[in-house]
Amino acid sequence: AQSVTQPDIHITVSEGASLELRCNYSYGATPYLFWYVQSPGQGLQLLLKYFSGDTLVQGIKGFEAEFKRSQSSFNLRKPSVHWSDAAEYFCAVGAGYGGSQGNLIFGKGTKLSVKP
Amino acid sequence: DAGVIQSPRHEVTEMGQEVTLRCKPISGHNSLFWYRQTMMRGLELLIYFNNNVPIDDSGMPEDRFSAKMPNASFSTLKIQPSEPRDSAVYFCASSWLAGVPNTGELFFGEGSRLTVL
Repeated sequence: AQSVTQPDIHITVSEGASLELRCNYSYGATPYLFWYVQSPGQGLQLLLKYFSGDTLVQGIKGFEAEFKRSQSSFNLRKPSVHWSDAAEYFCAVGAGYGGSQGNLIFGKGTKLSVKP
Repeated sequence: DAGVIQSPRHEVTEMGQEVTLRCKPISGHNSLFWYRQTMMRGLELLIYFNNNVPIDDSGMPEDRFSAKMPNASFSTLKIQPSEPRDSAVYFCASSWLAGVPNTGELFFGEGSRLTVL
């Protein structure tokens, strides 16, 4: 079965510092991978997605993610964090084929705090 | 354009009461998803509909939960009777699924926070 692991529950970085959030997935075929962000009291918003092609994908708000098949990873990065980036970040994998083809499997999330 | 609209945003009820959560998906989307979010279990898919038909309800916890989508612009998630362990944030999301596999983005509502006392 598909699964997503986000090893870090909570990360704190200083404003202006670089950021990398880790995501590992388990999926038998070519995965469809997503990163979502959730601000407090809000729903989830798509940051970026990977389906095929270039393994480095660009998203909104200056985020990027790199798909590494050999490591089953899809880590999210940002070169310089802003205070407004404080939120919870979710990695997800598309369930793809079969009866649950519409489903996304989400990781447990990583909460990002930003120090001034 | 309006996004996914959920109501109520907050619901506090007593154990044993019936709870109905409502969702209006984005116009033109053909798929609707109900997720539940808790600290312990994260985001869990409860059920999803494609063209108003339930496709996968394997995530529905038990018979106390039911979901309907009578038309393309409205869905309900009902819990009867409610229990304290149902306390969570319930999200509705919609998407356009054009084929296999799902490559569409999910658009989430702001959620309904349910507290069962």
